[in-house]
Formats: sequence, C-alpha cells, structure tokens
Amino acid sequence: EAGVTQSPTHLIKTRGQQATLRCSPISGHTSVYWYQQALGLGLQFLLWYDEGEERNRGNFPPRFSGRQFPNYSSELNVNALELEDSALYLCASQRGRSSYNEQFFGPGTRLTVL
Amino acid sequence: AQSVTQLGSHVSVSEGALVLLRCNYSSSVPPYLFWYVQYPNQGLQLLLKYTTGATLVKGINGFEAEFKKSETSFHLTKPSAHMSDAAEYFCAVSDLKAAGNKLTFGGGTRVLVKP
Repeated sequence: EAGVTQSPTHLIKTRGQQATLRCSPISGHTSVYWYQQALGLGLQFLLWYDEGEERNRGNFPPRFSGRQFPNYSSELNVNALELEDSALYLCASQRGRSSYNEQFFGPGTRLTVL
Repeated sequence: AQSVTQLGSHVSVSEGALVLLRCNYSSSVPPYLFWYVQYPNQGLQLLLKYTTGATLVKGINGFEAEFKKSETSFHLTKPSAHMSDAAEYFCAVSDLKAAGNKLTFGGGTRVLVKP
C-alpha cells in the first residue's frame, strides 16, 4: 500500500510570492491534515479537510488556504509569503474522522522563503 | 486549550541504556495520547497510542508508555537503546472536544545514542 506522498520535496520562493504544496493521501483515506513544523515553533496544526470540505483550521492567517479534490488529494496554498513561513509542511491522511484512527504522515515539503 | 510539554529538548543515552522521554499534558478531559518518531528528512511515524483501557501501552521497536491520569503524564520508555533509536520524538494529544483529530504536539525531544 502506497503511503502519503507530498510534492515538491523542496520549494524555494521569495517574499510576496505564492506557494502551492500538494498531498496525496493513502487510498481509502478521506481526511487530510496539514501541519507546519517551523524552527523554534514546533509542529502546529494548520488545516483539516474531509470529504472535500475545510472542517477546521489552526491559528494561522487567511493567506494560508487550501482545498481537497474529489479524489481526496489536497493542496495547500500560501499567499504573500513571509520569511517566517519557511518551514517543513507535513501532510497526514486518516481513514474517516474519528480521533481513534491513526494519522499517517508524508515526508513533507520544505519551503524556504528568501 | 490543550497543551503538551516535553521535558528536555535533547537527551543523550548510551547504547543499551534505558531511554526515558517525559511528556505531560494539559486537558480538561482525558485525551487520546500519542508518541511519534521523526527520523531525519522524514515524516512522522506512530510509535504508540493510548485511547482507553490498559494504561500501559506497547508500541513498535520495543517502546512503551504509561498513561498516568493523576500525574497527567504519558512518559515513553525503552529498556535498551539501540543506535537506530537516534531520532526526534514527539508526544501529541488529540482534542476530543473538537471535530476530527486535530493533534497538539509537544516541542519534541531529540535523542542521541552514544556507542
């Protein structure tokens, strides 16, 4: 069974640009979670998508947005990039919505903002 | 709001020695608790989780953790460290009052294993 995949592996942008990060969940998983792992800030919950809808978001500004496609893959968009957006962005997929189910993480996309 | 505290951002152990990583949480209701491991340039891998039932939870790679409600703790242990255990470890809680499975993570503990 293929795991969670993310693309690209690395992404370099300059301040003010937009970044698009992609995530493909494990087959059969309908929920996708996005987390930011920034130096000094740890792992923080960003967004949760399930069945094509945004269900919950963390304490991040609206320039962090995304969507989930009919095949349950997901895209994270970061507009008007700032230097502090430099981080590892992790995607996780889960079967259903229950907290009992395990989240499976992808390898991440490392975003560098210059 | 929930919070997770991991005592010690770095831990150094000798190969064969006990590994003990501490995790304390703050939650109004007993949450689900998790330990994840992150190897360099990789995502997170679940080591073990506590939901309900037996408070001593066994996970992969010889790790185990004990949920102590009175101490709001979920410390991770392994009796004998192996070189392959060198990684960063994260304790996390799930907010059962919220929809979905939003995880709140501790700051992480980086484990160094000395030969």
